[in-house]
Amino acid sequence: EAGVTQSPTHLIKTRGQQATLRCSPISGHTSVYWYQQALGLGLQFLLWYDEGEERNRGNFPPRFSGRQFPNYSSELNVNALELEDSALYLCASSFGTYTEAFFGQGTRLTVV
Amino acid sequence: GENVEQHPSTLSVQEGDSAVIKCTYSDSASNYFPWYKQELGKRPQLIIDIRSNVGEKKDQRIAVTLNKTAKHFSLHITETQPEDSAVYFCAASKGGANSKLTFGKGITLSVRP
Repeated sequence: EAGVTQSPTHLIKTRGQQATLRCSPISGHTSVYWYQQALGLGLQFLLWYDEGEERNRGNFPPRFSGRQFPNYSSELNVNALELEDSALYLCASSFGTYTEAFFGQGTRLTVV
Repeated sequence: GENVEQHPSTLSVQEGDSAVIKCTYSDSASNYFPWYKQELGKRPQLIIDIRSNVGEKKDQRIAVTLNKTAKHFSLHITETQPEDSAVYFCAASKGGANSKLTFGKGITLSVRP
């Protein structure tokens, strides 16, 4: 069974551009979480989607947004990129909210 | 919202010794506490978790203890090996409609051979 997959693996953008990151959850998982992992700051919660709806949102500006598709895959969009958005973006999926979350390998976003 | 803190931020032990990593949480409604291990350049992976209806859980060399009254939980690694060197994250969640996993900032464990 395939695990959580994210694409692209690496992404380089210039300041002011938009970035789109994608996540495919484990088959049967309905919840998708997005986390930002910047150096020295641990895992910062961005967004949580479940059954196609946004369930919770972290303390990030509105230019961080996303959606979940009917097949439970998800997109994270970051508009008006800033240098400090450079980080590893991790997606995780779970079956419900009280069970183990499995992480993808991440997308390394670099803003220059 | 929930706040999870980890102490210390770095820990160095001699191979074969035990390591203890502590986390505190702020929301008394939290009831699920997983621990993740992230090796350099790899994704975080769950190593053990505990729910609030138990006080301790073991899996070979690792164990987790939970003190709901004090709102803290700890990861215990016995007979440490160099491959235990990694960043360890604790997290807390309370389930339900608005649940999310809140992570601590991580602890870097170094096991000296």
